[in-house]
This record gives sequence, structure tokens and C-alpha cells, in this order.
Amino acid sequence: GEKVEQHESTLSVREGDSAVINCTYTDTASSYFPWYKQEAGKGLHFVIDIRSNVDRKQSQRLIVLLDKKAKRFSLHITATQPEDSAIYFCAASMNNNRIFFGDGTQLVVKP
Amino acid sequence: GGIITQTPKFLIGQEGQKLTLKCQQNFNHDTMYWYRQDSGKGLRLIYYSITENDLQKGDLSEGYDASREKKSSFSLTVTSAQKNEMAVFLCASSIPDPNTEVFFGKGTRLTVV
Repeated sequence: GEKVEQHESTLSVREGDSAVINCTYTDTASSYFPWYKQEAGKGLHFVIDIRSNVDRKQSQRLIVLLDKKAKRFSLHITATQPEDSAIYFCAASMNNNRIFFGDGTQLVVKP
Repeated sequence: GGIITQTPKFLIGQEGQKLTLKCQQNFNHDTMYWYRQDSGKGLRLIYYSITENDLQKGDLSEGYDASREKKSSFSLTVTSAQKNEMAVFLCASSIPDPNTEVFFGKGTRLTVV
């Protein structure tokens, strides 16, 4: 089955800097790539996604890039703020209801 | 908006015990999921249900049973609790479109003594 690898287990940045979280996947059939954020006490919630028919998507300070050739996708958080501190999960899905998650990246934004 | 309610929030069981986790959603979503999250790890799919009366195994279904009692509720049973099953179990729901946002509950933390 699909295997999603999240390269950074922890990431520390200064407030205002950019943060980049990188993921790779194995199955070329994967076509949907969502990102989720997990904050203590708040549960897991969706932040942004990208489909395989595009290679870039932006939503405010979040940018997702997809390189299908390299089977790689990444989340860029620009102008980071303390409230961006959380665990971020990348995921991949093959147009069915099975979503494969990476192991998560703990992002710490230092003031 | 809607909410996913998982009960209980914390569950302590004994090794070998049969334990049931419950989940209710008021999004009116057709599809519901059970995931397991181990410390420092991602989520692994245990069971999912595309519609009421449907039940499908995920990648980690051995040792678990699930039941979709009605559209709004989905329960998970640990058939025989094991020491290495200390984890957080997350219930989720979504519309049937597979390429769409999934909404998660806050989880049930299971500890086996």
C-alpha cells in the first residue's frame, strides 16, 4: 500500500520566518494530498489540500507544492506566528476513502 | 457547523478485556472512520463505513470490531485489550467524496493495565 514519509520530525523557526515541511509518497496512483494540524486539546483539523491536477495551491499564509515526478509535496507556512505551533501531518489518498498519513512534524515557532 | 463527540475521553482497561469506544456526529455525514494514533506516529485506519449499514476494514482491523448503528453513530470494540494498545483512538467523518476534508473528534485515550 501507500507509504507517506514526513522528513522532519521537529522543526523550530523564529516568529516571522518561513517554515517548510516536506513529505514523500510511494504510490503514483495517489491523487489527493491533504494537510492536518493537531493542537493540544483541540484535536486534529484540516488546513489545506492539493489535488494532482495542479502543482501549487495557496491559502493565505499557507502554500502547498506538489512534484508528481519526484512524488514529493511540501507545506510552506510564511510569516509564522506563535499560534502556528502544532503538529502537522501530511497525507495521501488514491481517490478512495483510505488516507495514508505521515508521522507528523512538531513545529515550534519561537517569539 | 457540526461536532464529533467521542466517549469516553479516557478509558482504562485490563489486559484481555473487551472494550467499546463510541462516536456520534451531527454533521449528517455519510462516511465515518476509526483511526488509531500511537505516540509520535501518524494515524492508521482501523475501520470505516461509507454509508449506514456499510463496514470496511482498514489497515489495522485485526483485534477490533466496529458497528455503524445508525448514520450518526459508529462504535469500535477492542476485542481483547493488549498491553501494546495504549494509544489514542480518533473517530472522524466526511461526505462521501473521498477527496475532501475529514472532520475529527478529540479522541479516546486508551490505557491497558
